Amino acid sequence: DVKVTQSSRYLVKRTGEKVFLECVQDMDHENMFWYRQDPGLGLRLIYFSYDVKMKEKGDIPEGYSVSREKKERFSLILESASTNQTSMYLCASSFSQEGGGYTFGSGTRLTVV
Amino acid sequence: QKEVEQNSGPLSVPEGAIASLNCTYSDRVSQSFFWYRQYSGKSPELIMSIYSNGDKEDGRFTAQLNKASQYVSLLIRDSQPSDSATYLCAANPNTGFQKLVFGTGTRLLVSP
Repeated sequence: DVKVTQSSRYLVKRTGEKVFLECVQDMDHENMFWYRQDPGLGLRLIYFSYDVKMKEKGDIPEGYSVSREKKERFSLILESASTNQTSMYLCASSFSQEGGGYTFGSGTRLTVV
Repeated sequence: QKEVEQNSGPLSVPEGAIASLNCTYSDRVSQSFFWYRQYSGKSPELIMSIYSNGDKEDGRFTAQLNKASQYVSLLIRDSQPSDSATYLCAANPNTGFQKLVFGTGTRLLVSP
């Protein structure tokens, strides 16, 4: 069964901590995405990557960075966690050719206290 | 700004009825469209994709696409309480990166 795996289901971090969220896919997908989802705001794209070592800013990149050193792994980094970054974080991946949808990971519920 | 619009709901239907979920999109060049189901506290799950005008059926689900009207819908026949979830519509604006634009979702409640 193909999968997108996010390393943690729940995380609690303190304000100012550097936080790493990991995502691994086993489908040989070129594209990988990080979203956050908040009630009433829907899915908001933070960053995406269409190839190893390539990254593009999404709609809300401020306060975040990403790393893609290997095709299967895409990491989201919160440089200095703040309470307004408390959210559900979703990783997704897809093929680069037209037509395919995303496969999502199970999500990480991050609480910053 | 490319947008996908959905009524937030909740849409309430009795068990066994047909649930009709609707979505409009603003970008005329969008070519592919997707419906995701998301249970509370869970991640979205792809249930239907559609690329051509007309209907596409898969079990109890039918996706409908009308590119002239920029309208996508999802019909769920014989609705079950287990269909209660939020349904997200997404469009691919064909930017070359397969970067989907999502609606904010419609919450469906199926009562026994």
